[in-house]
Amino acid sequence: DIQMTQSPSTLSASVGDRVTITCRASQSISSRLAWYQQKPGKAPKILIYKASSLESGVPSRFSGSGSGTEFTLTISSLQPDDFATYYCHQHYSYPLTFGGGTKVEIK
Amino acid sequence: EVQLVESGGGLVQPGGSLRLSCAASGFTFSSYWMSWVRQAPGKGLEWVANIKPDGSVKKYVEFVEGRFTSSRDNAKNSLSLQMNSLRDEDTAVYFCARYDSGSQYPQHWGRGVLVTVSS
Repeated sequence: DIQMTQSPSTLSASVGDRVTITCRASQSISSRLAWYQQKPGKAPKILIYKASSLESGVPSRFSGSGSGTEFTLTISSLQPDDFATYYCHQHYSYPLTFGGGTKVEIK
Repeated sequence: EVQLVESGGGLVQPGGSLRLSCAASGFTFSSYWMSWVRQAPGKGLEWVANIKPDGSVKKYVEFVEGRFTSSRDNAKNSLSLQMNSLRDEDTAVYFCARYDSGSQYPQHWGRGVLVTVSS
């Protein structure tokens, strides 16, 4: 099974900060990585697919990069609506797996 | 607009069974891979099962294999998850999700339904 390790698990930041979340795969997954945002009591929302493609309707302050085993999600200027938990997800091979999540909190 | 609405959750005793449903609308259901993903209280996301558009291919995570069965009725735009031999650790919110048109990743998600396994 491919393990997805996210870091940090919690991140405290202020509005306007640049935020970077890292996701590492235990083996190469090419660019088969997606990023999701989830708020409490809500369904996950797709942000990035194929490691770096921005989903339609998602603000351009979100960006993704990486391939192989190391990936990053960057929020260029954190907004109040961005305080949430973020998950990476590999869809390269079964069983599909998610990272443990990164909670972005208000500093 | 894509809509996915899960139902069928509730409280069940260990060893019991439950059948979840997901009603789909706003798209051609028979053209898309579908997925079940769960989230235990306070925990992260966990993939459970995928099913091909025609239902001919089903994939499961190891710890539900043999206990859970995913199925779909394309005529009724409905996805189901039959869960048997339920365990305490199956307690979670279960989401159904629709894949993107390229069958790469879960793109649209339902709100989820809570399954509680407890005596």
